[in-house]
Amino acid sequence: AQRVTQPEKLLSVFKGAPVELKCNYSYSGSPELFWYVQYSRQRLQLLLRHISRESIKGFTADLNKGETSFHLKKPFAQEEDSAMYYCALKNYGNKLVFGAGTILRVKS
Amino acid sequence: KAGVTQTPRYLIKTRGQQVTLSCSPISGHRSVSWYQQTPGQGLQFLFEYFSETQRNKGNFPGRFSGRQFSNSRSEMNVSTLELGDSALYLCASSLVGASDNEQFFGPGTRLTVL
Repeated sequence: AQRVTQPEKLLSVFKGAPVELKCNYSYSGSPELFWYVQYSRQRLQLLLRHISRESIKGFTADLNKGETSFHLKKPFAQEEDSAMYYCALKNYGNKLVFGAGTILRVKS
Repeated sequence: KAGVTQTPRYLIKTRGQQVTLSCSPISGHRSVSWYQQTPGQGLQFLFEYFSETQRNKGNFPGRFSGRQFSNSRSEMNVSTLELGDSALYLCASSLVGASDNEQFFGPGTRLTVL
């Protein structure tokens, strides 16, 4: 069964500190993975996808098939990064399987 | 371009009633997916519609149903409401049915079942 695990419910860091939000998945085929973000009182929106291998707002994520992981990283956290982050796996069609989410809190 | 819109934004119903939620996708988007978000279960996929056909379905009972119209607008219906159906219902649209297109989410409909 396809599953996405985000082991941390809450990650609290100081401004300027590095951030790593963990995501592990189980999937029998070739996975297509995403990070979605939801800022306070805003809609859920796509942050990045592993296919594009791009950096968005300073965040990067590398797919590690050996460790079945897709951790989200940023070298220097900013206060505006505080939000809920969801890791998601795309299944057949447009079905997304989401992890439970991690709240990132950046303290000043 | 207007984003995905959902109506109503809030609903209060009682057990046993039924409810219909509406989703208008971004203009030109033909795929609409629905998700249920609860504190306990997180975000769970309900179903996806593409070109008026249900293309994919999650693990929800038959009380949950949906449809899509020729203009791509979608509705979902929940019959015989239960307390556990209280949730935020999100819809998402994407440009075409291909798997490589970004999904854009609406603000959600907050359903409370009393």
